[in-house]
Amino acid sequence: AQKITQTQPGMFVQEKEAVTLDCTYDTSDQSYGLFWYKQPSSGEMIFLIYQGSYDEQNATEGRYSLNFQKARKSANLVISASQLGDSAMYFCAMREMNDYKLSFGAGTTVTVRA
Amino acid sequence: GAGVSQSPSNKVTEKGKDVELRCDPISGHTALYWYRQSLGQGLEFLIYFQGNSAPDKSGLPSDRFSAERTGGSVSTLTIQRTQQEDSAVYLCASSLMANTGELFFGEGSRLTVL
Repeated sequence: AQKITQTQPGMFVQEKEAVTLDCTYDTSDQSYGLFWYKQPSSGEMIFLIYQGSYDEQNATEGRYSLNFQKARKSANLVISASQLGDSAMYFCAMREMNDYKLSFGAGTTVTVRA
Repeated sequence: GAGVSQSPSNKVTEKGKDVELRCDPISGHTALYWYRQSLGQGLEFLIYFQGNSAPDKSGLPSDRFSAERTGGSVSTLTIQRTQQEDSAVYLCASSLMANTGELFFGEGSRLTVL
């Protein structure tokens, strides 16, 4: 069964606007971690932000914030004030309790328009 | 360098040949991971090392795939008798410890099997 679902294959956003990337997850564990990575066309995977299942506040890192809705098993990434350099593929990932690997979603391609 | 280093960055081979892909993790990172990414797709977990041992090899697609890690550092992923469906980007990642923290990725090795 798919553990991470990203339903938006591609999105366009205007420069300086905000964009929300959807991510839902499936786990029966109480303790888990959620990650977002950015993959530009160069191919490197860049870690953006992390949210622990027990964290009461939504994680924020600069222009990135994670809208964590535990009951809905949702961990959406919000990018504020989009820049041209934000054009990339974005992956949501989860590590379950006592697991060692990250399970990744299929990704969402974001294209920022000038 | 300070990051995860992978070589070769690009490899073109003929069907039936063997290939070796190398990963040099961040110094001091005990956990090392191999993932595979087909064109425009998400990341498929292959194998994980804690130190020199691989507790879980179940992600390897077939017995043509093998991996080893020596000295708790460098890892080699070997694909024997390559097939066209093996064409993908092979990504290596490391983390300070297993089941905690983010993964740091290398830039990947792009394998093309003709």
